[in-house]
Parts: sequence; structure tokens; C-alpha cells
Amino acid sequence: DAKTTQPPSMDCAEGRAANLPCNHSTISGNEYVYWYRQIHSQGPQYIIHGLKNNETNEMASLIITEDRKSSTLILPHATLRDTAVYYCIVRVAGAQKLVFGQGTRLTINP
Amino acid sequence: GAVVSQHPSRVICKSGTSVKIECRSLDFQATTMFWYRQFPKKSLMLMATSNEGSKATYEQGVEKDKFLINHASLTLSTLTVTSAHPEDSSFYICSGSTGTGDAYEQYFGPGTRLTVT
Repeated sequence: DAKTTQPPSMDCAEGRAANLPCNHSTISGNEYVYWYRQIHSQGPQYIIHGLKNNETNEMASLIITEDRKSSTLILPHATLRDTAVYYCIVRVAGAQKLVFGQGTRLTINP
Repeated sequence: GAVVSQHPSRVICKSGTSVKIECRSLDFQATTMFWYRQFPKKSLMLMATSNEGSKATYEQGVEKDKFLINHASLTLSTLTVTSAHPEDSSFYICSGSTGTGDAYEQYFGPGTRLTVT
């Protein structure tokens, strides 16, 4: 599986958009980008995933660069409850497992 | 999203005893289930992958005789930590997956915190 690189930590003000970057420069054409988050002492929560196109759902938007070597997760209006560790994961189509990296610890400040 | 439950949420056991953790997919049939372990301030580490009715596939370095996995049905998997020791104290998280390709989804349980004294 392609390796991902994320900043270890980020801060964002409440109400502002939180933009979390992820580098996956070795991604292959059949690998999906998944984002999960983990709030302290809970199991990871699915946020969004994509292959080539940008995706949006009720939680977030996923912007994937044209060369697919990086992506950005956008939380449009961050709240205090969005404080969590955010994981960017690359999964090969047909592969079952998700391998977690170190993630980004996002802190939303009032 | 779909719901995965784990039981118990917390367990304290004495060194040398065995502990069983249950993982259930409540509103979907999980083609495959996974077990992860997470130490404080660390990321999730995949321990094993299991399919219903088959033997689990363990990641490198995970002892299959110590961490027994049984995947009895499409909605239930169990992890038994045998002869637990303090170094096995950790947060154990299971997940279940369904679908393929763009429809692939994996949902995680709330975790079980194991403390071995």
C-alpha cells in the first residue's frame, strides 16, 4: 500500500474551515484515499473516501490533486467536537485492510 | 454509517488469565472483520484479518496462539487474549467491512480497553 505523510498536529479556530493535507506521492492508479478520524478513546469514524474526483458529503470535502499525489480534507465549519486525530489512508482496490499511519492531531480552539 | 459493537468496553484481568472480546456488526453483514491494537498516543496497529468460517490471517509479529480469533458468522468475531500479561494491556478495536471497489466500507467498533494486572 502507498504510504501517506501527514503533519503531526494542526490548530484551527472554531467556525473556520479546517484544511488537513495528506501526501501520498507513491499512490497507484487503483488506490483509493480514505479519511477517518478518532476522537479520544473511541474507535475510528469514517469520514470520506475518493479515487480521482473530489468528493463531498455531510461531514467534509475531499480534494484530490490531478496527479493524485496529495489530497486535502476540508471541514467547512469546524466545531470543538471536531477535535480528533485524522487519518489519511490509501487502500488498494480489492485489498481489504486499512493500514493506519500516525495521523494529524487537529485541535479546534474556541 | 453502519454500527459495530464491542463487548466488554473495559476489562481488568489478572496476569495469566484469558480474556475474550466480542465484536458484532449490528446492521450489516461484515464480509471481513479486522482486529487492531492501539497503545497510548500511538496509531492503530492491525493485528489480524478474518473471514467467516476461515482461519484468520495474522500480521507479522502477532502471535496467533496468543491472540485467538474466531469468526463464527458474518456478524460476530471474537478475539481471545490467552495467558494475558501486563504488556498486553492496550486498547483493542475491531472493524467490519462490506462492499468492494468504490463501495467498499469499513466500520469500527468503540474499542475495548484491556488492563492486565
